[in-house]
Amino acid sequence: NAGVTQTPKFQVLKTGQSMTLQCAQDMNHNSMYWYRQDPGMGLRLIYYSASEGTTDKGEVPNGYNVSRLNKREFSLRLESAAPSQTSVYFCASSPRRDEQYFGPGTRLTVT
Amino acid sequence: QKEVEQNSGPLSVPEGAIASLNCTYSDRGSQSFFWYRQYSGKSPELIMFIYSNGDKEDGRFTAQLNKASQYVSLLIRDSQPSDSATYLCAVNSGGSNYKLTFGKGTLLTVNP
Repeated sequence: NAGVTQTPKFQVLKTGQSMTLQCAQDMNHNSMYWYRQDPGMGLRLIYYSASEGTTDKGEVPNGYNVSRLNKREFSLRLESAAPSQTSVYFCASSPRRDEQYFGPGTRLTVT
Repeated sequence: QKEVEQNSGPLSVPEGAIASLNCTYSDRGSQSFFWYRQYSGKSPELIMFIYSNGDKEDGRFTAQLNKASQYVSLLIRDSQPSDSATYLCAVNSGGSNYKLTFGKGTLLTVNP
């Protein structure tokens, strides 16, 4: 049981490049989330998916898109990366509307 | 805007002491409360959750909730150097809300 997995672990992009961050969970959880964490800012919710087939904006959705591919997978796409998107990105999943379990994170640098 | 406030610290305690971490929240309708531990460079790890007023104990950890005062705390007894981490408080306002609101965390250092 791997829990929540994320790929890649590290990524460096140039301004304007695009990429997709992948997240998968094997716990049969209904809800999945994408956060970014920046020094002094705490965890900020980008997008979430309450259940398969639904997605909703969080606190900081601008510059991102998401896809809930199936119950297991929830991807985050940066269409045109900007230096302000340099951050650590965490995916999380939840069995209910309660506790969330986090993946190991992706460290993204945009130059 | 729902807010969760924590002292940023750092909170420094000697090994074997009790560490007390505090959190206040603004949404009086909040129903579920969580404590996460985050080691430097790692992801948040759920260590405690509490739903009802009072105390909940799990090993060396005790979560305390006072909904009237909108206050939740985490006590760590017999603190160990391995407890040195950032502790995040998170709150769910219940109902159809699927989101947690996180505080910015308190950095705890346990000195040998």
